[in-house]
Amino acid sequence: EADIYQTPRYLVIGTGKKITLECSQTMGHDKMYWYQQDPGMELHLIHYSYGVNSTEKGDLSSESTVSRIRTEHFPLTLESARPSHTSQYLCASSESGRIFSPLHFGNGTRLTVT
Amino acid sequence: DQQVKQNSPSLSVQEGRISILNCDYTNSMFDYFLWYKKYPAEGPTFLISISSIKDKNEDGRFTVFLNKSAKHLSLHIVPSQPGDSAVYFCAASVQGAQKLVFGQGTRLTINP
Repeated sequence: EADIYQTPRYLVIGTGKKITLECSQTMGHDKMYWYQQDPGMELHLIHYSYGVNSTEKGDLSSESTVSRIRTEHFPLTLESARPSHTSQYLCASSESGRIFSPLHFGNGTRLTVT
Repeated sequence: DQQVKQNSPSLSVQEGRISILNCDYTNSMFDYFLWYKKYPAEGPTFLISISSIKDKNEDGRFTVFLNKSAKHLSLHIVPSQPGDSAVYFCAASVQGAQKLVFGQGTRLTINP
């Protein structure tokens, strides 16, 4: 079973606050991803990383930033939260070295900005 | 421009019957397709996948069919069980890109 952990699970925060969503995986996967999902909608890729010190923006524009200093850790930061950032954020990882490796997802962080 | 579409937001099926979930895509470059299952308050869980060189892949009660000419794939679950009640997402990728594009999901409810 996939071991990918996200904290916090739920976060309610006021406008203008800085927040960091944590994501860690113990599988040694090189590739990690952040997806954003609103209720009843598709998952949108907002950031991905193919290894340490490698980060790229995804298909959906996001005001968040990410870092990848360690293989197992891929945190997402919002410098100044706004109500429009209210959403579910899902972190995922996948293996390298295969033609295609399915993504393993964490349980997500549900963010509410008031 | 939504490249992967699941046109049925919900589906209700009787326990023991077949559940068929559908997905259409527009990007002819997609060559790998996956189905994920998601329970409330959990992340999506990988179910089954299919490469574009195949037209069918089977894993236990789950079978995925791919019709490349119609740009359509479907997931068949037989027999359906109450534990199958969840939201099912179709996803597609260009193999070299290793990034998934998801549909909006279909909420499947299995009735006893």
